[in-house]
Amino acid sequence: DTAVSQTPKYLVTQMGNDKSIKCEQNLGHDTMYWYKQDSKKFLKIMFSYNNKELIINETVPNRFSPKSPDKAHLNLHINSLELGDSAVYFCASSARDRETEAFFGQGTRLTVV
Amino acid sequence: AQSVTQLDSHVSVSEGTPVLLRCNYSSSYSPSLFWYVQHPNKGLQLLLKYTSAATLVKGINGFEAEFKKSETSFHLTKPSAHMSDAAEYFCVVSDRRDDKIIFGKGTRLHILP
Repeated sequence: DTAVSQTPKYLVTQMGNDKSIKCEQNLGHDTMYWYKQDSKKFLKIMFSYNNKELIINETVPNRFSPKSPDKAHLNLHINSLELGDSAVYFCASSARDRETEAFFGQGTRLTVV
Repeated sequence: AQSVTQLDSHVSVSEGTPVLLRCNYSSSYSPSLFWYVQHPNKGLQLLLKYTSAATLVKGINGFEAEFKKSETSFHLTKPSAHMSDAAEYFCVVSDRRDDKIIFGKGTRLHILP
């Protein structure tokens, strides 16, 4: 009964391709996030959505386009993949109050070759 | 804007000895603070959280942390390290006024036999 699920878990693709990562949460949360974890393990916020509305876009290249069809889903589409996009991408969700922790998916390891 | 600084990128302790992972935060508002753990090739698991109630917070697996406003610190401790504690630990600050959950750069905990 996974709370935040991401698919796929692993993604290997060639430079220049377009790919999507899907995220779904069944916690009833109203806020969802995408984080990128680089090879040094640093987790950087990319996007935040609240009730399907984009709240935060942290200077991410416009090749990255999040899409939230409903409150339970936040998908990440990446165009024209580059070698530097290789990382682990984590989806997370939380309730929009100060005290609730974020729940994270298991991550998607993207490798661009 | 809030930020979080983990003072050590690597900490090594012997099994059975105490663990101290240091974290300082900056927030212009009353923050919520969290510690997450990430085992190799795994997702992020919440260890504990501070949300303006008791300043000494107990978490899972024997970990605890103390919120010290005067020192703007939220250090993580455990009385006796176990081999299974070897992982990456992240201190996290949340200031929901801007819907950001900000991660520190992580501390890799090594347990020596």
